[in-house]
Amino acid sequence: AQSVAQPEDQVNVAEGNPLTVKCTYSVSGNPYLFWYVQYPNRGLQFLLKYITGDNLVKGSYGFEAEFNKSQTSFHLKKPSALVSDSALYFCAVKSTGRRALTFGSGTRLQVQP
Amino acid sequence: EAGVTQFPSHSVIEKGQTVTLRCDPISGHDNLYWYRRVMGKEIKFLLHFVKESKQDESGMPNNRFLAERTGGTYSTLKVQPAELEDSGVYFCASSQDLAANTGELFFGEGSRLTVL
Repeated sequence: AQSVAQPEDQVNVAEGNPLTVKCTYSVSGNPYLFWYVQYPNRGLQFLLKYITGDNLVKGSYGFEAEFNKSQTSFHLKKPSALVSDSALYFCAVKSTGRRALTFGSGTRLQVQP
Repeated sequence: EAGVTQFPSHSVIEKGQTVTLRCDPISGHDNLYWYRRVMGKEIKFLLHFVKESKQDESGMPNNRFLAERTGGTYSTLKVQPAELEDSGVYFCASSQDLAANTGELFFGEGSRLTVL
């Protein structure tokens, strides 16, 4: 079985400050890890993924995420938040033997000007 | 290129009625997925089509839900009869075959179902 935990329902950060959105996972075998973002009244959009290789992956809009195998975490980060980053962020995982993604419950990011 | 489109965007029905949701994937995408998000919780997998075949339907909650993808193009998800706990947002996603293995899905905007 595979699962994802996003422990924070909401993260508040001031514009220009660094942000972190937390994600931990559980999966059999090697994980494929993803972050998706949902802006208001829009579908989910792919941000970035970790498949293999460098533990720090870079994605769209200046976001990056760090894969930590020992802590089974894949936290999303950005050095300097923008008001336009305010949205709902979902972490997801899949194992190599399965095509369907398992998503977390989402974290709402609110960036204040 | 058109994205994944879903219809209706919002449906309000009474308990016991039937609703059919439709998804048009991106042209050429063999993989089509249905997901559901209930009451602000996690987005839960319902099922996965490869062309017209059901590859994985392990997430379908019960036999009140029926998904079809005739001809391997658009898909429908019928709920009959609807119950209160079926309320939520139903997302459809599609991907090309290679992308399915790496998890890059293209999502529609979702169909919000409210059962009264």
